[in-house]
Amino acid sequence: AQSVTQLGSHVSVSEGALVLLRCNYSSSVPPYLFWYVQYPNQGLQLLLKYTSAATLVKGINGFEAEFKKSETSFHLTKPSAHMSDAAEYFCALIQGAQKLVFGQGTRLTINP
Amino acid sequence: DAGVIQSPRHEVTEMGQEVTLRCKPISGHDYLFWYRQTMMRGLELLIYFNNNVPIDDSGMPEDRFSAKMPNASFSTLKIQPSEPRDSAVYFCAVSGGGLGGYTFGSGTRLTVV
Repeated sequence: AQSVTQLGSHVSVSEGALVLLRCNYSSSVPPYLFWYVQYPNQGLQLLLKYTSAATLVKGINGFEAEFKKSETSFHLTKPSAHMSDAAEYFCALIQGAQKLVFGQGTRLTINP
Repeated sequence: DAGVIQSPRHEVTEMGQEVTLRCKPISGHDYLFWYRQTMMRGLELLIYFNNNVPIDDSGMPEDRFSAKMPNASFSTLKIQPSEPRDSAVYFCAVSGGGLGGYTFGSGTRLTVV
């Protein structure tokens, strides 16, 4: 079965510092991968997606992710954290026709 | 396009009562999903529909849970009877197919006391 694993349930960085949220996947077929963000008391919003085109994917709010097949990874990065980035982030992959399988989430805290 | 509308936003009910959660999806999206989110188990897919037909309900935890989609504009998730362990945030999401990703509603926070 396909799955994603997010390393670290909680990440804390200082404002202006690099953000790195880790996601590894397990899939027997080429995966389609997604990152979603959830702000408090809201639903999930799509940040970016990898669908086998360019391996470096740019998303909204300055985030990007790089697909690395050799490492089975799809880590999310942002060069400079902003207070408004504080949220929970979910990595996901498509299973079957349309079913999204989510990781357990990583809560990002930004310190002033 | 008003997005995916879920109602109510918050629901507090007593154990044993019937609870009905509602979702009004964006038009033109063929797939509708119901997810449950808890601290312990994260996001769990309960059931999903394609063109109003249930495709996979393997995530529905028990017979107490049922879901319907009578038309493309409306879906319900019902819990009868409700139990405290059903307390969670329930999300409805839609997809147009392909690889566009999902659009989520804001969720219903259910508390069963």
